[in-house]
Amino acid sequence: DTEVTQTPKHLVMGMTNKKSLKCEQHMGHRAMYWYKQKAKKPPELMFVYSYEKLSINESVPSRFSPECPNSSLLNLHLHALQPEDSALYLCASSQDFHRAPQNRGFFGSGTQLSVL
Amino acid sequence: AQKVTQAQTEISVVEKEDVTLDCVYETRDTTYYLFWYKQPPSGELVFLIRRNSFDEQNEISGRYSWNFQKSTSSFNFTITASQVVDSAVYFCALSDLVTGGGNKLTFGTGTQLKVEL
Repeated sequence: DTEVTQTPKHLVMGMTNKKSLKCEQHMGHRAMYWYKQKAKKPPELMFVYSYEKLSINESVPSRFSPECPNSSLLNLHLHALQPEDSALYLCASSQDFHRAPQNRGFFGSGTQLSVL
Repeated sequence: AQKVTQAQTEISVVEKEDVTLDCVYETRDTTYYLFWYKQPPSGELVFLIRRNSFDEQNEISGRYSWNFQKSTSSFNFTITASQVVDSAVYFCALSDLVTGGGNKLTFGTGTQLKVEL
């Protein structure tokens, strides 16, 4: 299994809603990531979890709350979002690139989020 | 700070033409990793290649080839005999080791490739 699975694929929410994005991988990767991609822009890193601990937060607003319940799962909890938060949210996982030449980021197909 | 520049915003070619996508990077690290990803309209990022900073050997995979020039900080990607299915956005990316674990990818702005019949 070399997949990163993200659910839901599409999400529409109001600014007062609370929703969660889910990501799962069964490749034994110990690093998991959330990226945000606006239309016609490159993906931008939001959070990195390494061994289930948050290792970096790229100054993301607190209305985005990540969670890593175990080594296979990564969640992104959303609350009081703004319309400008509408984007494609990509989850990724990897092993350390230094450890083996074939290591690289595996990306899910993303959740297309629309905030009304 | 790391930076990846893809100066070509959009390229249009006719099928069977060869096309080269440019990538120039900046980093202070002596060890780093470069990647190319393809993003079709479906949105998923499809891995194409990884290159280590200490390995300047160029690589060919079918119709795809990559030219890594450390002296000019460039990692260019050539598609030979392009096909309509090659139409997508192509991203060049540079890897940074995150303190505490993980590997951050810094992406270029992407090149939209359109291959027409």
